[in-house]
Amino acid sequence: AQKVTQAQTEISVVEKEDVTLDCVYETRDTTYYLFWYKQPPSGELVFLIRRNSFDEQNEISGRYSWNFQKSTSSFNFTITASQVVDSAVYFCALSENTGNQFYFGTGTSLTVIP
Amino acid sequence: DSGVTQTPKHLITATGQRVTLRCSPRSGDLSVYWYQQSLDQGLQFLIHYYNGEERAKGNILERFSAQQFPDLHSELNLSSLELGDSALYFCASSHNTGPHDGYTFGSGTRLTVV
Repeated sequence: AQKVTQAQTEISVVEKEDVTLDCVYETRDTTYYLFWYKQPPSGELVFLIRRNSFDEQNEISGRYSWNFQKSTSSFNFTITASQVVDSAVYFCALSENTGNQFYFGTGTSLTVIP
Repeated sequence: DSGVTQTPKHLITATGQRVTLRCSPRSGDLSVYWYQQSLDQGLQFLIHYYNGEERAKGNILERFSAQQFPDLHSELNLSSLELGDSALYFCASSHNTGPHDGYTFGSGTRLTVV
């Protein structure tokens, strides 16, 4: 079974629209860590955020915000007032306290249309 | 520049050949992780080394091997290459033994097997 599910394969929005990327995870560990990475067309993986399982506070960083809800096992990512430079593939990932690797979702490809 | 250096950036080779991908971790990082990103499999964990010792294996084929040297750089060796091995291979590094603080990824090596 997939440990991280990103149900949205592709999303297109018009510039300045808000967009939310969904991430649902599955783990039996009580301690775990969730991440978002951005992969722009150039191919590198850029770290965006890390959140541990004990910190359910939402976080905002500029136009980016993250909503972590343990009750629904979700860690959603919202981009406010999207820009063309936000066009990329976004990956959600999970690491478990008992494990030694990341489990990545399949990614959501975001296209922001000018 | 993430501080993680991968060479070469691109590699084109024929089926049946052997290649070596190289990774230099970020200064001070002791852990090196290898991931394969292919269109059909997504981002898959291959192997993890910490300070020269193998710590975890993921979905790594027997035709693939890796090592981490005393200077902490790592090499991923891929042999008897098949068309399906064409992928983007990422190296990532972290300071600790586990991924929980997040990785810093290199820019990847794009391998094309023809």
